[in-house]
Amino acid sequence: GQQVMQIPQYQHVQEGEDFTTYCNSSTTLSNIQWYKQRPGGHPVFLIQLVKSGEVKKQKRLTFQFGEAKKNSSLHITATQTTDVGTYFCAGKNDYKLSFGAGTTVTVRA
Amino acid sequence: NAGVMQNPRHLVRRRGQEARLRCSPMKGHSHVYWYRQLPEEGLKFMVYLQKENIIDESGMPKERFSAEFPKEGPSILRIQQVVRGDSAAYFCASSPSGTSGSWGKNIQYFGAGTRLSVL
Repeated sequence: GQQVMQIPQYQHVQEGEDFTTYCNSSTTLSNIQWYKQRPGGHPVFLIQLVKSGEVKKQKRLTFQFGEAKKNSSLHITATQTTDVGTYFCAGKNDYKLSFGAGTTVTVRA
Repeated sequence: NAGVMQNPRHLVRRRGQEARLRCSPMKGHSHVYWYRQLPEEGLKFMVYLQKENIIDESGMPKERFSAEFPKEGPSILRIQQVVRGDSAAYFCASSPSGTSGSWGKNIQYFGAGTRLSVL
């Protein structure tokens, strides 16, 4: 079955620094979605990428979908304490979402 | 416009008891998905339902677990004879449509989850 892997599992970032989390799928995806889950919270939809090579930005967050539609990345610039949480990518084929294990981000002030 | 409602938020059961988790989808949504999340892990797909139909239950354990989405009322995830390994957060999500289509229909909206603890 489809597997989605994310690296790194943990990311400790100094406030103000940039970081990137990566997502790789074992199969080609119809689209990929990113979610953020705060500690003790539930996944909240951030964005969906559909097209090969697509890049989308949300303020300090930049999302990219690979040309082969098998990988994706999330880059956060100038990290803030509000960025704390776990970021999940989820590969979508038809209706089923396959989630990666997530990258848990902590921020040092 | 209320979001996806799950209850209870926290559920404690002793081994051997039954756990019933409820999920009311967003207004206008007819597709419901259940996921399980173990500590420090991602969400694992369990089952996908439409009203009165189970579309895909490939992620459900073969025994003790069942799900339904009746014509009236919330979707129910039932776990019989719970064991300690069932302790997890169970999330429900809903969408207007389960099939590929226009962009907005593909998004799944998650409820706050039910945290099940088995003693």
